[in-house]
Amino acid sequence: KQEVTQIPAALSVPEGENLVLNCSFTDSAIYNLQWFRQDPGKGLTSLLLIQSSQREQTSGRLNASLDKSSGRSTLYIAASQPGDSATYLCAVSPYSGAGSYQLTFGKGTKLSVIP
Amino acid sequence: ETGVTQTPRHLVMGMTNKKSLKCEQHLGHNAMYWYKQSAKKPLELMFVYSLEERVENNSVPSRFSPECPNSSHLFLHLHTLQPEDSALYLCASALRVSHHNEQFFGPGTRLTVL
Repeated sequence: KQEVTQIPAALSVPEGENLVLNCSFTDSAIYNLQWFRQDPGKGLTSLLLIQSSQREQTSGRLNASLDKSSGRSTLYIAASQPGDSATYLCAVSPYSGAGSYQLTFGKGTKLSVIP
Repeated sequence: ETGVTQTPRHLVMGMTNKKSLKCEQHLGHNAMYWYKQSAKKPLELMFVYSLEERVENNSVPSRFSPECPNSSHLFLHLHTLQPEDSALYLCASALRVSHHNEQFFGPGTRLTVL
């Protein structure tokens, strides 16, 4: 059974710092990996989706990398801003098999960017 | 309205009440999902619908009853819930039920069961 772990559970940084959020998964047979952002009491906003054949994806100040063989992904946020404060979730979809549409989520990393 | 909408945004109910959560997607998608997000637990998939047909029921108690009258609307009917059912309930949609297709999420309904 796929398990997704996100470390750390919470992170507090001063504004302007670059930071890295980590995601690991136990089964490397994934189709893709997504990073989401969730604001308090709100739904999920997709930030980046990396296909299993890709190594990284970039969007603005965000860069996500994927090392499928080692079961790891990182989300790099450059020049952090208070508006980046949110919970960041990582999710993977299996490559094939029954229920291959099912996303497995981590518990998230709660980020606070201090002005 | 665009994207995925959910109503109500907040709901407080007693254990003997019956209520319904509503989800509507304006994206022309054919797949819809219900997820539960409890405190300090990962999101859990509850139900999946493809073209109004249920394709997944992840061992969800019968006190949760989904309904998908058409590909744009999804309901979650609630009755005789327990306090541990208090959570954020998220709806999502995708073009099709497939790992190829990205899921788009609604804002959620915050449910409190007293």
